[in-house]
Amino acid sequence: SQQGEEDPQALSIQEGENATMNCSYKTSINNLQWYRQNSGRGLVHLILIRSNEREKHSGRLRVTLDTSKKSSSLLITASRAADTASYFCATEASQGGSEKLVFGKGTKLTVNP
Amino acid sequence: DAGVIQSPRHEVTEMGQEVTLRCKPISGHDYLFWYRQTMMRGLELLIYFNNNVPIDDSGMPEDRFSAKMPNASFSTLKIQPSEPRDSAVYFCASRYSATNEKLFFGSGTQLSVL
Repeated sequence: SQQGEEDPQALSIQEGENATMNCSYKTSINNLQWYRQNSGRGLVHLILIRSNEREKHSGRLRVTLDTSKKSSSLLITASRAADTASYFCATEASQGGSEKLVFGKGTKLTVNP
Repeated sequence: DAGVIQSPRHEVTEMGQEVTLRCKPISGHDYLFWYRQTMMRGLELLIYFNNNVPIDDSGMPEDRFSAKMPNASFSTLKIQPSEPRDSAVYFCASRYSATNEKLFFGSGTQLSVL
């Protein structure tokens, strides 16, 4: 079963606005990662946040993690048309020495020029 | 570095035929993952290898699917016989465990089984 679930499934905004995507998961994790996928392409890693971190920044990206609520959010500030893509969260479970990443179904972001 | 290389990019076959998908991970990466992506089920992990050894194949849907990694630079995913419900995009990804946990994905193989 899916570990991460993104919300919303689809998001449409205007260029310059901020985009916020949320991810919820079910079990204890070592880390949570966000990936981006352009249409017809493979996934590209954006940012990783560890279970002992609460917030992380990378350029226009801001990720938060709330382990008590088992949730994370990805904020893209000052969005551009080129940010149009699907965004996925992925979790690495902490139990059983699991090294595998389990992905959610993604949020499809459309940024209108 | 050329990144993770997958072939073929597109595969169209008829039901019952054997299909072989190929992957070359990034040199030096010791983990290799095979994922399948469909609209209905999203990204599903099929199997992963560490140092060429299969670690977890619990995601392989059934005996028609098999995967091998004969050496550190090559892996195959085989479907025999193929069925229309196998139609999906199959991704290979690799990572270097000693540095960090992020995955590097190939461009995928779009498989259509008619």
